[in-house]
Amino acid sequence: DAGVIQSPRHEVTEMGQEVTLRCKPISGHNSLFWYRQTMMRGLELLIYFNNNVPIDDSGMPEDRFSAKMPNASFSTLKIQPSEPRDSAVYFCASSLGGAGNEKLFFGSGTQLSVL
Amino acid sequence: GDSVTQMEGPVTLSEEAFLTINCTYTATGYPSLFWYVQYPGEGLQLLLKATKADDKGSNKGFEATYRKETTSFHLEKGSVQVSDSAVYFCAQKTGANNLFFGTGTRLTVIP
Repeated sequence: DAGVIQSPRHEVTEMGQEVTLRCKPISGHNSLFWYRQTMMRGLELLIYFNNNVPIDDSGMPEDRFSAKMPNASFSTLKIQPSEPRDSAVYFCASSLGGAGNEKLFFGSGTQLSVL
Repeated sequence: GDSVTQMEGPVTLSEEAFLTINCTYTATGYPSLFWYVQYPGEGLQLLLKATKADDKGSNKGFEATYRKETTSFHLEKGSVQVSDSAVYFCAQKTGANNLFFGTGTRLTVIP
């Protein structure tokens, strides 16, 4: 398996623009997570899905952020409009959920820079 | 609420030195505990885990023992290598299917 695939690897945009980050989880995994990593705040969970359904989105910073998982093999994280403080590395991770199996597989991340 | 606290870095060691990175947890019960490692330019990957008190997780020469008396899960390695340079995250399971990560500790090993 190719692992969790994220795109793009790098994104540079201007303030006010819409940004869409994409993630393809590992085939067969039923849980998907979006994390944001910054120097100041470390690794923060934004939202996670189980069986394509959002379970906990309490980490989504504000209404400018939205995430979807239309099917088991694809998820998007959208920021509209983007702001400079959104600059961070965004990670997607997937796992085969269930009690006793909490091993997350992370993608390589998307480095977002909002100018 | 449930959380983990790990020692702040950065940590710089010479090759073959002994490594300890402290981690303590706060939880109402006995959650599963983990150490993840992030190499430069990559996503996090699981290093080791322990699911109950007194369990010892180990992998690649790293070890961590789940100690409920001190609510700790310190990461140790007897002899670090340059290739161990990375950021290490302590984490605990929260809820049915989620992990809470610590802030990370950057380790640099110099030859």
